[in-house]
Order: sequence, then structure tokens, then C-alpha cells
Amino acid sequence: GAGVSQTPSNKVTEKGKYVELRCDPISGHTALYWYRQSLGQGPEFLIYFQGTGAADDSGLPNDRFFAVRPEGSVSTLKIQRTERGDSAVYLCASSPPGGGINTGELFFGEGSRLTVL
Amino acid sequence: AQSVTQPDIHITVSEGASLELRCNYSYGATPYLFWYVQSPGQGLQLLLKYFSGDTLVQGIKGFEAEFKRSQSSFNLRKPSVHWSDAAEYFCAVEGSGAGSYQLTFGKGTKLSVIP
Repeated sequence: GAGVSQTPSNKVTEKGKYVELRCDPISGHTALYWYRQSLGQGPEFLIYFQGTGAADDSGLPNDRFFAVRPEGSVSTLKIQRTERGDSAVYLCASSPPGGGINTGELFFGEGSRLTVL
Repeated sequence: AQSVTQPDIHITVSEGASLELRCNYSYGATPYLFWYVQSPGQGLQLLLKYFSGDTLVQGIKGFEAEFKRSQSSFNLRKPSVHWSDAAEYFCAVEGSGAGSYQLTFGKGTKLSVIP
């Protein structure tokens, strides 16, 4: 498809387990963002990639969270030792070269809903 | 740090009625301001944005918003609401221009439309 693709759309796991969430951005988009949306809240910034490198990871809540983008396209958000408080919708967005925050051109995926039991 | 307040959690309007969704921001300088819409089963979609210049900005789907520096507000308006406008609306701010890549979102306003 032409949009940002996120998998899985739903993930239920048990407390303490490891989880990976995948984001496939729009082809040609160089910037990629991860946000987290808890119930009743707006999205909260987690991390931003420009190409393969994490340009800003200041939003990651703690060292259980980690994200990679090894080839500058697909990104994986990894959560270790999941806790019930990690339950949320994890949103991925991408933007084209020359776009991004400064033009408002963020294209969001539908999100991955994570439930930690 | 910047913040965004959307005072109304849920608004219900009749189809054809006018709409105004409120947004107040907190930031020391001139912010970049955005309105996004989130429909069930769809990702967030940009409605409109304000960076500088004309304080009344037009967006997609017939929406507009007005930046009022004196009130630190960026309210979203539509003169005649359609049933398909039922969704959740988020105001967002990016506070420091070039080099910053974080949007700060409000908690959202859910819009219900009565046919």
C-alpha cells in the first residue's frame, strides 16, 4: 500500500515478556517517528530517526525501550520486560525529504495496540 | 516546555451546525501549530498548520483555524459540519522550529455528529 504500515495491529502479551513492533514507512521517506498514545491521551513523542540514526530519542521512557532502523527504511520498536503501564497504541509516522515537522508533513500509520496483561 | 490544552473532551453537534474546537498552547516564542484528525481505523491526518504570516489558515475538508497570540489560542472551526466529520481532533505544537522534531499533542476532543 501507499501509506505507513504497522504490524501487528494488535498485540497481547504478558507482563515481563519481550515485544517487537514494526513500522514500514512510505517509500522514499527519510524521516521516521515513533509516538505512544495511552487511553484518553494525545500521542507522546518517543523517538525520531533521520536515515539510519536516531536523531532524537529523548522521549523513550526508560532503557526497556529501544528502536532501530538498520537500513534507513523499516523500523522496529523493541520493549523488554513489558509492564502493564506499557499498554498503549504505538504510532509510527514518516515524512519525505525536506518535509517533517517544519512543514507539518507527518504521515501516520494506524498504530499497533499493545496490551500487557 | 511547551504544552497544549484542549478544554473540551467531547462535543456533540447537529449535522449542518457550525463547529469550534478550542486549543490553547503554552510556549514562550511563536510556535508551529497543527490540527490533526483521527478517525476510527485510520491514522492521524493533518488538517492544517500555522507557521507564520496570515493568522487565519485554511485546511482540508473545509476546516479553518485562527492563531491568536494574545490569547495563546489556535481554535479550529467549520461553518457546517457533516456526519463524516465525527472523529477525534488533536491540536499540536512544535516549539522550537528547525532542529526540533517533537510534536506535543493535546488530549484531544471527540466530536459526535447528530444526523
